[in-house]
Amino acid sequence: LAKTTQPISMDSYEGQEVNITCSHNNIATNDYITWYQQFPSQGPRFIIQGYKTKVTNEVASLFIPADRKSSTLSLPRVSLSDTAVYYCLVGLDNDYKLSFGAGTTVTVRA
Amino acid sequence: EAGVTQFPSHSVIEKGQTVTLRCDPISGHDNLYWYRRVMGKEIKFLLHFVKESKQDESGMPNNRFLAERTGGTYSTLKVQPAELEDSGVYFCASSQVASRDRANYGYTFGSGTRLTVV
Repeated sequence: LAKTTQPISMDSYEGQEVNITCSHNNIATNDYITWYQQFPSQGPRFIIQGYKTKVTNEVASLFIPADRKSSTLSLPRVSLSDTAVYYCLVGLDNDYKLSFGAGTTVTVRA
Repeated sequence: EAGVTQFPSHSVIEKGQTVTLRCDPISGHDNLYWYRRVMGKEIKFLLHFVKESKQDESGMPNNRFLAERTGGTYSTLKVQPAELEDSGVYFCASSQVASRDRANYGYTFGSGTRLTVV
């Protein structure tokens, strides 16, 4: 299972773009990169997944360079409600276990 | 579609007592998972059901924890007797499939049960 490293915390202001980079040097060939978001008092929520290049949905964009040893989650024009913990997950243990690290606590201020 | 429902949302019990947590997965999801985060630690896998069968319970901390999923619908997680170190948030998740390619799309988590043992 690939180990991931991401910043512990990030501060931002409303309307700014937030970019969270996750390092995963030992990513395996068939591993996907997945990001979850967790609000206080709620369970984690899937937000985006990718394998290579760029993936975009209504919530975020995920940029993955050619070597796949890192990935960047981009949250455009954040609002106060985007304050949450963001987890970068790579691969699956035994094909179904999710391995959460410490995550990145993003705090958006007015 | 209704999400994953967990009950109760909070529970405060004394050390030595028994507590039962319940999880109702999304209808039709054969796969049900329990995770927990104890204070100051990361979210950790506890076990995985496929319908009513325990597929993997390697994350269960000890034999004071008993999970069941009778009939392959809702699941319960019983802690008996509870200890102080069991305090934390217990999450349940469900998915239609459990595979490397699609599992992450299918995981839906409940809001968790916050268990406090005093």
